[in-house]
Amino acid sequence: QVQLVESGGGVVQPGKSLRLSCAASGFTFGRYGMHWVRQAPGKGLEWVAVLSYDGSAKIYLDSVKGRFTVSRDNSRNTLYLHMNGLRTEDTAVYYCAKSRRTGWLMQGFDPDYWGQGTLVTVSS
Amino acid sequence: AIQMTQSPLSLSASVGDRVIITCRASLDIRSDLGWYQQRPGVAPQLMIHTASRLQSGVPSRFSGSGSGTNFTLTISSLQPEDFATYYCLQAFTYPYTFGQGTKLEIK
Repeated sequence: QVQLVESGGGVVQPGKSLRLSCAASGFTFGRYGMHWVRQAPGKGLEWVAVLSYDGSAKIYLDSVKGRFTVSRDNSRNTLYLHMNGLRTEDTAVYYCAKSRRTGWLMQGFDPDYWGQGTLVTVSS
Repeated sequence: AIQMTQSPLSLSASVGDRVIITCRASLDIRSDLGWYQQRPGVAPQLMIHTASRLQSGVPSRFSGSGSGTNFTLTISSLQPEDFATYYCLQAFTYPYTFGQGTKLEIK
């Protein structure tokens, strides 16, 4: 069965960096695009970024563009989110999620399976 | 970015009730809409994709309809495990955007 396990969250000061990882299993990782979605405490879901199956295409939420970088290692079945210049408003549970469809598409590429999330707290 | 507006934002209902949640998009998104269920402390689960297609393993009491800018999620007969928060997501163009969520509570 599909499993996604995030790690790397923690408490970090504003302006600092953090790298999240998402270990995937139970499906052919290298065929699917992958998303990062976050949820601030007590708030709704916010889509953050998507990476194509081969890493060639990346799209970001405007508020993280230039600060966050998504990458993947298909040989290790692992997705990453490198977060620089963290702000207090980045505090959230970060979920990685698998795209429902293979390949790379702008439409209908919504996430189906999600990890359990990892909490990032940005605070001085 | 496309704005997704859900209503109601909260809803009280009883086991066995039929409930309808609506989602409106600020632009035509064809049928590129999904519905997610999130129970407290748990990751979201995809229930419906492409506006009306039931995700594998999801009970048939869940159904979705709509296209363009207006969409609905219907639960035909509420079960205790259905009390959760529901989100719509437009998957038409990036950035993908979620509705605010509808919290479904037991009356």
